[in-house]
Amino acid sequence: DTEVTQTPKHLVMGMTNKKSLKCEQHMGHRAMYWYKQKAKKPPELMFVYSYEKLSINESVPSRFSPECPNSSLLNLHLHALQPEDSALYLCASSQGGQNGPEAFFGQGTRLTVV
Amino acid sequence: GNSVTQMEGPVTLSEEAFLTINCTYTATGYPSLFWYVQYPGEGLQLLLKATKADDKGSNKGFEATYRKETTSFHLEKGSVQVSDSAVYFCALPIYSGAGSYQLTFGKGTKLSVIP
Repeated sequence: DTEVTQTPKHLVMGMTNKKSLKCEQHMGHRAMYWYKQKAKKPPELMFVYSYEKLSINESVPSRFSPECPNSSLLNLHLHALQPEDSALYLCASSQGGQNGPEAFFGQGTRLTVV
Repeated sequence: GNSVTQMEGPVTLSEEAFLTINCTYTATGYPSLFWYVQYPGEGLQLLLKATKADDKGSNKGFEATYRKETTSFHLEKGSVQVSDSAVYFCALPIYSGAGSYQLTFGKGTKLSVIP
């Protein structure tokens, strides 16, 4: 099983709403990531969790709040977003350690902020 | 620093044509290299990988050879199909500590294959 599952697939939210994106993997991977992808651009790294601890925050605004409840789950809590935050949000996981740097991606959540 | 330069396209080919998408990299040491593919409306899928110099990654008829002397990892396919229409990303993993790797992507190449 090389699957990373993201929910929801699509999300429309107002600028005053609070919502959460969810990501799950059962591959035993110890590193999990959030990437943001704007149209016609490559993904850009937002956050890295390794062994359930936040290890990298790429200067992401505080209206995005990541959470890693356990080694299989990764959430991204959204609050007071702006229309320019509309994008495809991709979750990924990798094995961690020296065992392989390849990342497996979910299908993404397409977020529209209105 | 570490970076990836990728031919941007878009590339439009007829079915059964030969495909090459160029990718060169700048990196410290000898990292692994990847090609990811993104079909319309979907996430990224790992297409193929190479972990050391002269390695050839292959999958679904696509191939790429890790060339240390030219710092390149060009993607090739001998005969493309309409179903290969997608965006292709060359990617370089950079160790980011605590056992994790962040991916540096090329800008992506959109391939359209027409019947």
